[in-house]
Amino acid sequence: AQSVSQHNHHVILSEAASLELGCNYSYGGTVNLFWYVQYPGQHLQLLLKYFSGDPLVKGIKGFEAEFIKSKFSFNLRKPSVQWSDTAEYFCAVNESNQGGKLIFGQGTELSVKP
Amino acid sequence: DAEITQSPRHKITETGRQVTLACHQTWNHNNMFWYRQDLGHGLRLIHYSYGVQDTNKGEVSDGYSVSRSNTEDLPLTLESAASSQTSVYFCASSKRRMGELFFGEGSRLTVL
Repeated sequence: AQSVSQHNHHVILSEAASLELGCNYSYGGTVNLFWYVQYPGQHLQLLLKYFSGDPLVKGIKGFEAEFIKSKFSFNLRKPSVQWSDTAEYFCAVNESNQGGKLIFGQGTELSVKP
Repeated sequence: DAEITQSPRHKITETGRQVTLACHQTWNHNNMFWYRQDLGHGLRLIHYSYGVQDTNKGEVSDGYSVSRSNTEDLPLTLESAASSQTSVYFCASSKRRMGELFFGEGSRLTVL
């Protein structure tokens, strides 16, 4: 089945540690890729997006993600996390053959210890 | 500022009752979506609409319906609420069919 997979369900890091959250998808058509963040008690907000061009995209708050088409991956990275990055992170994909519906991964809960 | 609002933000209801969650956006976006968020499942698409009078089923549409009579609103109706529909519901809209989504604040529904 076509899907979006996030490998880590819960990640615990100390402040200043580096972060990488995995995301893989199984769609074969043209895709747009997104990472959304949900801070505790809040709605989802866009962190970054990839539509085309440079596969390394930079988002807000020092986050970046790399689209590797051959691996069907769009991993999220941050060199040095802060306590305020504690949140749930969702990878999402919409694909041309799916009519543009945005399909989400299961989410990764990130806890950053001060 | 343009925005997307959901109401009610919190609701408790009983099994078998009909419930309607409202979603209103002022961006004039054609595309609107309803998702539910459950622990371990992320966000799952319930219904979506690409314009007035257009509605489509998502991956978890059983027990839910939507109608789109104007651009601004996409109400979600639970015909006969079940405990399995206890969840947080998010409405979203987008300008482009494959563009980014803008989310509402969410509606937490508890079915007893």
